Amino acid sequence: GAGVSQSPSNKVTEKGKDVELRCDPISGHTALYWYRQSLGQGLEFLIYFQGNSAPDKSGLPSDRFSAERTGGSVSTLTIQRTQQEDSAVYLCASSSTGTWTYEQYFGPGTRLTVT
Amino acid sequence: AQSVTQLDSQVPVFEEAPVELRCNYSSSVSVYLFWYVQYPNQGLQLLLKYLSGSTLVESINGFEAEFNKSQTSFHLRKPSVHISDTAEYFCAVSDHGAGGTSYGKLTFGQGTILTVHP
Repeated sequence: GAGVSQSPSNKVTEKGKDVELRCDPISGHTALYWYRQSLGQGLEFLIYFQGNSAPDKSGLPSDRFSAERTGGSVSTLTIQRTQQEDSAVYLCASSSTGTWTYEQYFGPGTRLTVT
Repeated sequence: AQSVTQLDSQVPVFEEAPVELRCNYSSSVSVYLFWYVQYPNQGLQLLLKYLSGSTLVESINGFEAEFNKSQTSFHLRKPSVHISDTAEYFCAVSDHGAGGTSYGKLTFGQGTILTVHP
């Protein structure tokens, strides 16, 4: 079956521009996560969606970052007024939240470069 | 809050040698433990996980990890490595959610790059 997909795979943008990153989770997975992988910070949690519950935004580094999940499926991570320190690989993961199924399936990531 | 420390950033070994990648965690609550692997130019894949029960867990490709609660460790081992095991390995924890379900948010260590030489 299809795994988690992310688009674009690479994005180069100028400092100050807004960017949108997209994640298509595995069909039927109710939980969706965004992480960021950067050289200086390693892998960091950004935001978590679970069904219709309010998302956990505790990992978002600033108010320039926001995310939404439409219809309980596709998610978009938006970064406004990008800065050079936003350069990183943004990873999306999804999981089923049935009992004893805690595996998160990761997408290939979007490599964001802010020039 | 949890934290994860991977004690070695890089581990070079020769093929067929044993290897241990060390992971220690800190948490005020019970946690689930995971090892993820990232092969060159690929995404993260789950290697193995500890949820409950036997403290020794194994993967299909010969890796094993043992949960040691008293030492708050979850070290990854393999008795004989292959060239194809060259990758970056991440230890991660997540807390137990309320009502017996997992919240699932992962806290990762900094990663260990395992390089297997012929």
